[in-house]
Amino acid sequence: SFDLTQPRSVSVALGQTARVPCGGTNIVIRTVHWYQQKPGQAPVLVIYRDVNRPSGIPERFSGSNSENTATLTISRAQAGDEADYYCQVWDSDTVFFGGGTKLTVL
Amino acid sequence: QVQLVESGGGAVQPGGSLRLSCAASGFTFSTYGMHWVRQAPGKGLEWVAFTHYDGNNNYYSDSVKGRFSISRDNSKNTLYLQLNSLRAEDTAVYYCAKEPYSGYYLYYFDNWGQGTLVTVSS
Repeated sequence: SFDLTQPRSVSVALGQTARVPCGGTNIVIRTVHWYQQKPGQAPVLVIYRDVNRPSGIPERFSGSNSENTATLTISRAQAGDEADYYCQVWDSDTVFFGGGTKLTVL
Repeated sequence: QVQLVESGGGAVQPGGSLRLSCAASGFTFSTYGMHWVRQAPGKGLEWVAFTHYDGNNNYYSDSVKGRFSISRDNSKNTLYLQLNSLRAEDTAVYYCAKEPYSGYYLYYFDNWGQGTLVTVSS
């Protein structure tokens, strides 16, 4: 088992930078992926393999991974960024998700 | 473009069975690994199962091992999930999701279906 810890909620002022952490023991040796999920919709991949953005995802979304925390950073936050965000890793033939973080844009 | 369309969800009593389907289009289905992921109402995402491109190797979460079975029919571009011995805690939206690359596996999901709801209740 591999535990991924996310805060239940993060708030950010409109136009400011939001940081969503994902904690895990020595997570830096894992490859971390991030998904955005809006109410009533399927998840959407926003960052893969720690730092990469799929096509169509704004440059405002970025990722990092260091020691025991991976972080999703959303610059110049917009109202449309309000959503749940999940981190995800794979270990020993099993996929693990963090518990999810609700991002609120104030 | 990639399309994944789940079907087969519904209401079932505890101990019952259900088979979910995921119809794929817009990519060469037979060369991609595929997953099922579920989400209980108001809860987070939970990975359920994974199958290799040829269906010859399957992996399951501990919570469903021995009760659920993932399979695929590459001639029909369809992924399946057989749900047996259902419990109330299996109530969830079930999503099928696609691996990002053909022929090898990185265990993340670049495309998701819209999901199908399974409700287990007496």
